[in-house]
Amino acid sequence: DAKTTQPPSMDCAEGRAANLPCNHSTISGNEYVYWYRQIHSQGPQYIIHGLKNNETNEMASLIITEDRKSSTLILPHATLRDTAVYYCIAAIYNQGGKLIFGQGTELSVKP
Amino acid sequence: DSGVTQTPKHLITATGQRVTLRCSPRSGDLSVYWYQQSLDQGLQFLIQYYNGEERAKGNILERFSAQQFPDLHSELNLSSLELGDSALYFCASSDGLAGINEQFFGPGTRLTVL
Repeated sequence: DAKTTQPPSMDCAEGRAANLPCNHSTISGNEYVYWYRQIHSQGPQYIIHGLKNNETNEMASLIITEDRKSSTLILPHATLRDTAVYYCIAAIYNQGGKLIFGQGTELSVKP
Repeated sequence: DSGVTQTPKHLITATGQRVTLRCSPRSGDLSVYWYQQSLDQGLQFLIQYYNGEERAKGNILERFSAQQFPDLHSELNLSSLELGDSALYFCASSDGLAGINEQFFGPGTRLTVL
């Protein structure tokens, strides 16, 4: 699985968009980019995943660069409840296997 | 609520002891995964079972073992416990080897070894 690199922490004002970057320069062609988040010590929660096209769901948008070496998770209107550690993971789709979690980005949404 | 249940929520035991953590996956999910989260190692994948069979192994110690039963619930057995085994243990489930591979995590079991 490709290694991902994320900034250790970020701040965001409530109501503003939170843009969380992730670098995955060694990603292979069959690896998807997945985002999970962990609020305090709860179990991680799936947010979104994508291969090469931009993706959007009710929680977030995922922008993947054309060369697939980096991506950005966008929370369009961050709330205090979005304060969490966000993990970017590169994993092979349909392999059904392990997720390799890095250190993630600790996002603090401030009023 | 992810639909994945884990028991017990908290467990306090002594070094050298053995404990069993239990996980019930979401209804219909065939895959179960175990993860360990400690302060110094972060979230680490331990092992995966699919429909009763072991499918993938991560950094799981030989003192640890797991199994998935015919009703698809899973147990993680930790033996000869050491102080360093104190951690949060998460179970996750997914609908199998195909599909979107989204894993649903349980609330975790916090193990404290004294």
